[in-house]
Amino acid sequence: GESVGLHLPTLSVQEGDNSIINCAYSNSASDYFIWYKQESGKGPQFIIDIRSNMDKRQGQRVTVLLNKTVKHLSLQIAATQPGDSAVYFCAEKGLGANSKLTFGKGITLSVRP
Amino acid sequence: DAGVTQSPTHLIKTRGQQVTLRCSPKSGHDTVSWYQQALGQGPQFIFQYYEEEERQRGNFPDRFSGHQFPNYSSELNVNALLLGDSALYLCASSLLGGRAETQYFGPGTRLLVL
Repeated sequence: GESVGLHLPTLSVQEGDNSIINCAYSNSASDYFIWYKQESGKGPQFIIDIRSNMDKRQGQRVTVLLNKTVKHLSLQIAATQPGDSAVYFCAEKGLGANSKLTFGKGITLSVRP
Repeated sequence: DAGVTQSPTHLIKTRGQQVTLRCSPKSGHDTVSWYQQALGQGPQFIFQYYEEEERQRGNFPDRFSGHQFPNYSSELNVNALLLGDSALYLCASSLLGGRAETQYFGPGTRLLVL
């Protein structure tokens, strides 16, 4: 994880619009890349992950894209809702004895009604 | 099916004291990882326990130690507390060999050192 200070970058979107949250990662050897959502006063909540040998994975209302060439990960949220407002973290990990999570900088998603 | 639980939820200590935080993993999980999250930052990996042994360790001093019990629950101990230890301490559990060995987090323990 990297220090981001007290003020995280913020993405403001209109309710109903699609959101795209971006992340740059550092370790090309990671096996999985993951998105977590963290609401105020709570622990991170798993959203979706993608294995390093894939470039796209879809879930319910969310899609994760992986671009290994430029070490870039993105999370797309369709039809953003007020309940999506939170801090979003990308993370990378290996498996087994290398399964620690390394978190990227968090991004605050704010949904305007 | 209970998720990851942590206790206590909040704790206030003074410098130099010692603290013990507790974690019960999600049912069926055998691996516990601990993270420290300072205000406004992402979680930082402290260490991970599997089969009652420390398997990985992050860049934290020896003042941070832990334990895993036969029932897979875990404790995090911090000695000689410093003001800078004030943070949210998160426990995450996973299953070795499970799909992606996904880590699921508990609600955390908020520690304030005065």
